[in-house]
Amino acid sequence: DAGVIQSPRHEVTEMGQEVTLRCKPISGHDYLFWYRQTMMRGLELLIYFNNNVPIDDSGMPEDRFSAKMPNASFSTLKIQPSEPRDSAVYFCASRDTNTGELFFGEGSRLTVL
Amino acid sequence: GENVEQHPSTLSVQEGDSAVIKCTYSDSASNYFPWYKQELGKRPQLIIDIRSNVGEKKDQRIAVTLNKTAKHFSLHITETQPEDSAVYFCAASKVSGGYNKLIFGAGTRLAVHP
Repeated sequence: DAGVIQSPRHEVTEMGQEVTLRCKPISGHDYLFWYRQTMMRGLELLIYFNNNVPIDDSGMPEDRFSAKMPNASFSTLKIQPSEPRDSAVYFCASRDTNTGELFFGEGSRLTVL
Repeated sequence: GENVEQHPSTLSVQEGDSAVIKCTYSDSASNYFPWYKQELGKRPQLIIDIRSNVGEKKDQRIAVTLNKTAKHFSLHITETQPEDSAVYFCAASKVSGGYNKLIFGAGTRLAVHP
């Protein structure tokens, strides 16, 4: 397996624009997580899914953030409208059902000007 | 919900010395405690984990200890090498009777000087 795949790797956009981040988890993994990493706040859990169903979105900062998982092999995190304070690295991770280990994607570095 | 505190935030050691990073957690139901290493510009990767039915686990130069009564766990790296320089994150979760979210500590930036 190629691991967790995220796109885009880098995104630079202007304030007010819509941003969509994409994730393909490892096949067979039952949970998918979206984390945000900044120097100030570390690794924050935004939302996670179990078998494509959102379980806990209490970490989503505002209504501007939304996430979907239409099927077992794809998830999106959308920010609309984006703001400069959304600038961060966004990681997607999927969980090995047998061991519990989280496998992270390479991250999407978002810069909102 | 779970809260994980990690200390120190930065740690500087000489090559060959030992390094210890400590974490405390708040939810007594947590039973899975992994440690992740993140090199600069890279993704976090699991280096070792421990479950609440054991008190210590070792893998070559890395060891983790768990004290469930005190709700704290520690990472020990012996004979440190420059390639150990990275940010280390501890985390806690409940993984039996339903899986809860993995909550990370704030991270420890370890610098190993030759």
